[in-house]
Amino acid sequence: AQTVTQSQPEMSVQEAETVTLSCTYDTSESNYYLFWYKQPPSRQMILVIRQEAYKQQNATENRFSVNFQKAAKSFSLKISDSQLGDTAMYFCAFMKLVGGATNKLIFGTGTLLAVQP
Amino acid sequence: NAGVMQNPRHLVRRRGQEARLRCSPMKGHSHVYWYRQLPEEGLKFMVYLQKENIIDESGMPKERFSAEFPKEGPSILRIQQVVRGDSAAYFCASSPRVAGVHYNEQFFGPGTRLTVL
Repeated sequence: AQTVTQSQPEMSVQEAETVTLSCTYDTSESNYYLFWYKQPPSRQMILVIRQEAYKQQNATENRFSVNFQKAAKSFSLKISDSQLGDTAMYFCAFMKLVGGATNKLIFGTGTLLAVQP
Repeated sequence: NAGVMQNPRHLVRRRGQEARLRCSPMKGHSHVYWYRQLPEEGLKFMVYLQKENIIDESGMPKERFSAEFPKEGPSILRIQQVVRGDSAAYFCASSPRVAGVHYNEQFFGPGTRLTVL
């Protein structure tokens, strides 16, 4: 069974600074996706960034980037130039591919990020 | 294109009553996932449905919970004889299934917050 671990329950960062959220996972699969989702106070789940396991290049989306270390089963999220609107719960998630098609998401317990003015 | 719709947004039930949660997927999406988020926890997969079929119900409690996704109309998550431990946010996500596409994103609804008194 796959597991996702986020060891930082809460983090704080000053506006305009950079912060890194940690995530590790455990799987015996070779074909899978990893995700970071953001859940602001509205509770809406928002996809931040996605990484395919077969791609060595780290994904980036504007101020958000990941450090994907497949051998170490590590998938951290770096937020640059933090903004007040980045304040939210961040969830790391894993998805294995079943028959080449998408399947359920397995989430970590989340990291609550507070961006301070 | 409207997003994933869930209703009601908030539902209050007394112990022993039934709860019905509805999810209307995005237009053109034929796949629905249900997740449960207990207080202070991450989302946990419950069930994955296609139209008129349950594909994976490995996360569903064995008793009192059922789900359907009929040919016409929304997907329904039904909880019979609710108990206080059922109090949680229930999220629905939908995705298309495009032939030959390796990955189809899951789009989340705003969730239904169930409170059992």
